[in-house]
Amino acid sequence: AAGVIQSPRHLIKEKRETATLKCYPIPRHDTVYWYQQGPGQDPQFLISFYEKMQSDKGSIPDRFSAQQFSDYHSELNMSSLELGDSALYFCASSPTVSGANVLTFGAGSRLTVL
Amino acid sequence: AQSVAQPEDQVNVAEGNPLTVKCTYSVSGNPYLFWYVQYPNRGLQFLLKYITGDNLVKGSYGFEAEFNKSQTSFHLKKPSALVSDSALYFCAVRVISYSSASKIIFGSGTRLSIRP
Repeated sequence: AAGVIQSPRHLIKEKRETATLKCYPIPRHDTVYWYQQGPGQDPQFLISFYEKMQSDKGSIPDRFSAQQFSDYHSELNMSSLELGDSALYFCASSPTVSGANVLTFGAGSRLTVL
Repeated sequence: AQSVAQPEDQVNVAEGNPLTVKCTYSVSGNPYLFWYVQYPNRGLQFLLKYITGDNLVKGSYGFEAEFNKSQTSFHLKKPSALVSDSALYFCAVRVISYSSASKIIFGSGTRLSIRP
């Protein structure tokens, strides 16, 4: 079965650089979520999109932005990277934004900021 | 504020023994509760969920969870632990925001260690 695909799996950047993470949801899933998991931390909700519109916003820094495209894939753009941005970034998708639908997570993109 | 709490950072169990990973929640309205498992350097995998109905929910890999409304708990259980169950377990709750969009928020996680 198709899963949530994230790329790249690993990314190394310098401080103040920019990074872009991509997420391809499960086919026919119209909602995408982004989470950030720091070392030894629980996943923190960043932002979500439903039908290409932002549906909810969490603890996402102003330096970060995201969007969902017409093919439902999503990109998380991170600028002016800081050391504290080093984390595992997860994307998840679900069939709809509401209800008790299960979120299916990708394997994550590990960002290291030097 | 809606939240979940996992009071134990780590749980150690001998293989073959029953295990319990604790979770309590605080939500307004009826809770939608989930358990996810995370293996090293991997994404979160769905184990089970409670929406309504029977308080005992069965999930993947022989896990089950018991919803207790009076104690606002949703403890994860397994009758006989396997070494391969060793992983990080997250309890989660669905949160509905003002926009009626929903997301799930996670507890702090419990590291389960099963010794042979």
